[in-house]
Amino acid sequence: TQLLEQSPQFLSIQEGENLTVYCNSSSVFSSLQWYRQEPGEGPVLLVTVVTGGEVKKLKRLTFQFGDARKDSSLHITAAQPGDTGLYLCAGQETSGSRLTFGEGTQLTVNP
Amino acid sequence: DAGVTQSPTHLIKTRGQQVTLRCSPKSGHDTVSWYQQALGQGPQFIFQYYEEEERQRGNFPDRFSGHQFPNYSSELNVNALLLGDSALYLCASSLQGSKNIQYFGAGTRLSVL
Repeated sequence: TQLLEQSPQFLSIQEGENLTVYCNSSSVFSSLQWYRQEPGEGPVLLVTVVTGGEVKKLKRLTFQFGDARKDSSLHITAAQPGDTGLYLCAGQETSGSRLTFGEGTQLTVNP
Repeated sequence: DAGVTQSPTHLIKTRGQQVTLRCSPKSGHDTVSWYQQALGQGPQFIFQYYEEEERQRGNFPDRFSGHQFPNYSSELNVNALLLGDSALYLCASSLQGSKNIQYFGAGTRLSVL
């Protein structure tokens, strides 16, 4: 069974600070996705990374896929209160297969 | 373009009862996956349906069953409900042969008393 360990589990920071969330596994994934989920809603896809070493940027968010395709990180620059939410990483063994999720990181950005 | 829709949004049942949750996929999608998300946890894969058949299954007991209809919509059935079945049940749809990105509905919040 593939597992994804996500850290930290909780993060509370002030507006303007930077932060990094980590997602690690001993298994190789064909792709890894990052989702953001708000209360009462389903997860919303932020990005998909498929190539080892790949870096993708989405405004103030930077996503990186490890060279061995076993780990990933999400870095947020100058966090804003609107970034508050549950951030989830999810890996796919093969295209179209089940998503294996991490436990999530609950981010709170205080104004 | 309607996204993934799930019904009902909330449901309260008692132990031992049976429940059916429904999902309509995003327009053009042919694959439906179901996930269970306990409070404070990441979603756990239950099963996936394609061409009206269960293609993959997670580590869930036989009390959890499903169905996919010719119009690609899907149902999740849970029998003999336990207190531990209380969770948010998420449906995700995708299109086989594409990038297989899964789009999630808002979920059904099931409470078992």
